[in-house]
Amino acid sequence: DIVMTQSPDSLAVSLGERATINCKSSQSVLDSSNNKNCLAWYQQKPGQPPKLLISWASTRESGVPDRFSGSGSGTDFTLTISSLQAEDVAVYYCQQYYGTPLTFGGGAKVEIK
Amino acid sequence: EVQLVESGGGLVQPGTSLRLSCAASGFTFSSHWMHWVRQAPGKGLVWVSRISSDVSITSYADSVKGRFTISRDNAKNTLYLQMNSLRAEDTAVYYCARSSAVFDYWGQGTLVTVSS
Repeated sequence: DIVMTQSPDSLAVSLGERATINCKSSQSVLDSSNNKNCLAWYQQKPGQPPKLLISWASTRESGVPDRFSGSGSGTDFTLTISSLQAEDVAVYYCQQYYGTPLTFGGGAKVEIK
Repeated sequence: EVQLVESGGGLVQPGTSLRLSCAASGFTFSSHWMHWVRQAPGKGLVWVSRISSDVSITSYADSVKGRFTISRDNAKNTLYLQMNSLRAEDTAVYYCARSSAVFDYWGQGTLVTVSS
């Protein structure tokens, strides 16, 4: 199984400041057939289902604010919120879809400092 | 508008069975792989099972293999999860999710509580 490890578990960031969440996979999730990394990021607010933010490590979904960005390749990935807004308070999960079982990171809780 | 609506959750005793349903609308259900993902109270997301668009392929997490069965009825636009021999550790909110490689749409979830 591909183990996804997120860090930190939680972070408190001031409004307007940058938030950075890391995700490391236990093996590469780079799909050689299309040279894309099979890595997604989701946002989950309390009492709600997860919402897809980013796929293929860096492709933002339609309607997702451009303050959210994803980067990385191979085994190391990052989700960056460039200027934290109050509505961004949530838990963020990375997920690999390179192989089964599909696996998620443990989540990173983002709060306002 | 894509909608996924789960139902069938509830409080059950260990060792018993439950069947979850997920009614889909707003998209061509028969064209998409579908999944079940669960989340224990206060915990993270765990993939449970998936089924291909044409029903030919199913996969399961090791923790549910042999106890859970995923199925779908493309004529009824409905996904199912038959859960047998339930255990306390199966207690979770169960989400159905559509996939186009990633989980692009999720239902609101249905809570399954396994307790005596």
